[in-house]
Amino acid sequence: AQKITQTQPGMFVQEKEAVTLDCTYDTSDQSYGLFWYKQPSSGEMIFLIYQGSYDEQNATEGRYSLNFQKARKSANLVISASQLGDSAMYFCAMRDDLNRDDKIIFGKGTRLHILP
Amino acid sequence: AAGVIQSPRHLIKEKRETATLKCYPIPRHDTVYWYQQGPGQDPQFLISFYEKMQSDKGSIPDRFSAQQFSDYHSELNMSSLELGDSALYFCASSSPSNYGYTFGSGTRLTVV
Repeated sequence: AQKITQTQPGMFVQEKEAVTLDCTYDTSDQSYGLFWYKQPSSGEMIFLIYQGSYDEQNATEGRYSLNFQKARKSANLVISASQLGDSAMYFCAMRDDLNRDDKIIFGKGTRLHILP
Repeated sequence: AAGVIQSPRHLIKEKRETATLKCYPIPRHDTVYWYQQGPGQDPQFLISFYEKMQSDKGSIPDRFSAQQFSDYHSELNMSSLELGDSALYFCASSSPSNYGYTFGSGTRLTVV
């Protein structure tokens, strides 16, 4: 069975600083995908970044990068130069990529507060 | 670009009533998923449909049912509503050619 663990329930970070949100996972699948989603207070679920288990390079999307360490089963999200609008709940999630119709399972989330 | 459309955005129902939530996936997306997110919780998978057939089932109560129609839209039917059903209900869609899901904005159901 797949499992996602996010050990930081909440974080406070000064504006313009870089942020690392931790995520570890457990799976017996050989091919899997890792996702990060942002959920602001308005409630919508916003896709940020994806990393496939066979991707050799860390994924990057603008200010977001995913620090993928396969041997350690970690997939930390790094946000560079944080902004006030980054304050939100962040979910790490994964899926069995052999079957791309498979469901995504989520971690418990980390609530990020950016301080002015 | 077209997104996943959910309706209604907000719904207030009384205990023991029924509710129907609708989801219109992105065109040409063939798989639809339903998730339930309770207050302060992570989203929990309920059920999914691929090409109008149920493809997977999670922790969906027997009081809930869902289906996907010929135009690929999906409906989640919830009967005998309980206070604990109050949650944000997400629909998402995907196609095999892309690696991610696209979530709708959700329906916030409040049972009073």
